Amino acid sequence: NAGVMQNPRHLVRRRGQEARLRCSPMKGHSHVYWYRQLPEEGLKFMVYLQKENIIDESGMPKERFSAEFPKEGPSILRIQQVVRGDSAAYFCASSPTSGIKDNEQFFGPGTRLTVL
Amino acid sequence: SQQGEEDPQALSIQEGENATMNCSYKTSINNLQWYRQNSGRGLVHLILIRSNEREKHSGRLRVTLDTSKKSSSLLITASRAADTASYFCATASGYSTLTFGKGTMLLVSP
Repeated sequence: NAGVMQNPRHLVRRRGQEARLRCSPMKGHSHVYWYRQLPEEGLKFMVYLQKENIIDESGMPKERFSAEFPKEGPSILRIQQVVRGDSAAYFCASSPTSGIKDNEQFFGPGTRLTVL
Repeated sequence: SQQGEEDPQALSIQEGENATMNCSYKTSINNLQWYRQNSGRGLVHLILIRSNEREKHSGRLRVTLDTSKKSSSLLITASRAADTASYFCATASGYSTLTFGKGTMLLVSP
């Protein structure tokens, strides 16, 4: 059973370009979470999605950022018109249920975005 | 304010010694989890302790939880060089999302 997969592992963009980060959850998992990690910081929650639904996007910046988790295919985190401050590691996690009690999440290896 | 703050920020020990890291949080929680992150890698789930549990063991790991003090500790016994990593506590208080602290960097020297 493959773990959470993210691609690309490294992404370099120039200011103003778009960044698309992909996440394939573990087999059988229908819940996906995106987190951002700035250098020397912990992870900050961005968005929580189930298939075709955004459940909680309270951690997403109001502009330029969007996320989706279609019925078929990976979850996509899109950042439009990137700025240098978007440079960070973006991690995706998945879980089989929303699990109020035991919401263990399985993390992918992350995508490291560098904005030049 | 930061939910899930680890202490110390960095810890340097010799192989064979024990390492203790602490985590404090501010709001009520459903559970608290500890993760490890090797440099440049993703997070690995280590252990989960529920709000009604006080202590839990897993191999060389021992986690305690004191909900009255809103604090937790992670003890790694007989440390190895391979334990060198950053350790994060994460609290779960809502239905699913985790709130992470800034982490403790552990360096274990041979």
